[in-house]
Amino acid sequence: EAQVTQNPRYLITVTGKKLTVTCSQNMNHEYMSWYRQDPGLGLRQIYYSMNVEVTDKGDVPEGYKVSRKEKRNFPLILESPSPNQTSLYFCASSLNRGAGELFFGEGSRLTVL
Amino acid sequence: GENVEQHPSTLSVQEGDSAVIKCTYSDSASNYFPWYKQELGKRPQLIIDIRSNVGEKKDQRIAVTLNKTAKHFSLHITETQPEDSAVYFCAASSGNNDMRFGAGTRLTVKP
Repeated sequence: EAQVTQNPRYLITVTGKKLTVTCSQNMNHEYMSWYRQDPGLGLRQIYYSMNVEVTDKGDVPEGYKVSRKEKRNFPLILESPSPNQTSLYFCASSLNRGAGELFFGEGSRLTVL
Repeated sequence: GENVEQHPSTLSVQEGDSAVIKCTYSDSASNYFPWYKQELGKRPQLIIDIRSNVGEKKDQRIAVTLNKTAKHFSLHITETQPEDSAVYFCAASSGNNDMRFGAGTRLTVKP
């Protein structure tokens, strides 16, 4: 079954404690992206990757890091989480950048106290 | 970069009525316009999309129209049903630019 898998689905953490949200896709997609969803703001792009070892900032990259060492995986790293990073996070993938359907993961709800 | 505006932010209709959600975009290079539906607690999923060489596309009760000159596109849902209740996002992109989403419309269909 074609899917994008994120973990963890829910996480409560404290300010400053490093965390990683994993994302994996099994569709051999080149393009992967991270979004955060906040009420009234829609889906805002954090980082994206057009292929292995190729990553770039989206609209709201501050406080986040990513890596793309393998085609299927695109983890999101919060080195020192802060309360303003409390949000619902979605990983997504597509065949190519900007030209076709984005497949979303189930989302990861993060709370930073 | 691309900027997508979406209206209204909330929409309430009676079952059986039609619903229309409108979006405008800023980048004339955008050529792909998808619509995503997000049910409560679920992930966004594509329901329909349109490319810039087409003015209208229909799939059963949903349709999308595109006016490239005016840079706006709309989602039309006819004969609404309670299961149409969700948040709907429009988006715009091109092959060289990432997808940009509107802020979303919460549609409520009252039985």
